[in-house]
Amino acid sequence: EAQVTQNPRYLITVTGKKLTVTCSQNMNHEYMSWYRQDPGLGLRQIYYSMNVEVTDKGDVPEGYKVSRKEKRNFPLILESPSPNQTSLYFCASKRGIGGYGYTFGSGTRLTVV
Amino acid sequence: ILNVEQSPQSLHVQEGDSTNFTCSFPSSNFYALHWYRWETAKSPEALFVMTLNGDEKKKGRISATLNTKEGYSYLYIKGSQPEDSATYLCAFIDNNNDMRFGAGTRLTVKP
Repeated sequence: EAQVTQNPRYLITVTGKKLTVTCSQNMNHEYMSWYRQDPGLGLRQIYYSMNVEVTDKGDVPEGYKVSRKEKRNFPLILESPSPNQTSLYFCASKRGIGGYGYTFGSGTRLTVV
Repeated sequence: ILNVEQSPQSLHVQEGDSTNFTCSFPSSNFYALHWYRWETAKSPEALFVMTLNGDEKKKGRISATLNTKEGYSYLYIKGSQPEDSATYLCAFIDNNNDMRFGAGTRLTVKP
């Protein structure tokens, strides 16, 4: 089954404790992206990657890092999480840039206390 | 800055009603417009990818139209059912591949 797998689904952590949210897709998609969703603000892009070893900042990249060492994986790293990073996170992939539709992961609800 | 507006913010209809809502976007530098359906506790799923002015897409009881010259797209649901209850998101993509989501229209269909 074609899918984007995101882990974990839920995570509660403490301020400053480094964490990684994993994202993997099995569709050989070139383009992958991370979004956060906050009430009233819609989906905002954190980082995106157009291909292996090619990453770029989205609208809200502060406090996050990503890497794209392999085509299928696009982990999101929070080096020192803070409470304002409490949010619902989605990883998404699509075939390429332009008009292709996204396939979204199941989401990660992160709480930083 | 890409401004993508969706209206209304929320909508309550009775089962069997037909309904529609709007996505407004910049009328310049248009590349594509997506519609997604997002059910509670699930992830967004792509409904339509629209690229041409005048495009009309249909999937079952749901259809969408696109007017790139005036910068809007309508999503229509004919004979709404409770299972149509979801948030409907649109996303605008420009020629620079910048993609922006609207905040969504939350539809509730009462039995």
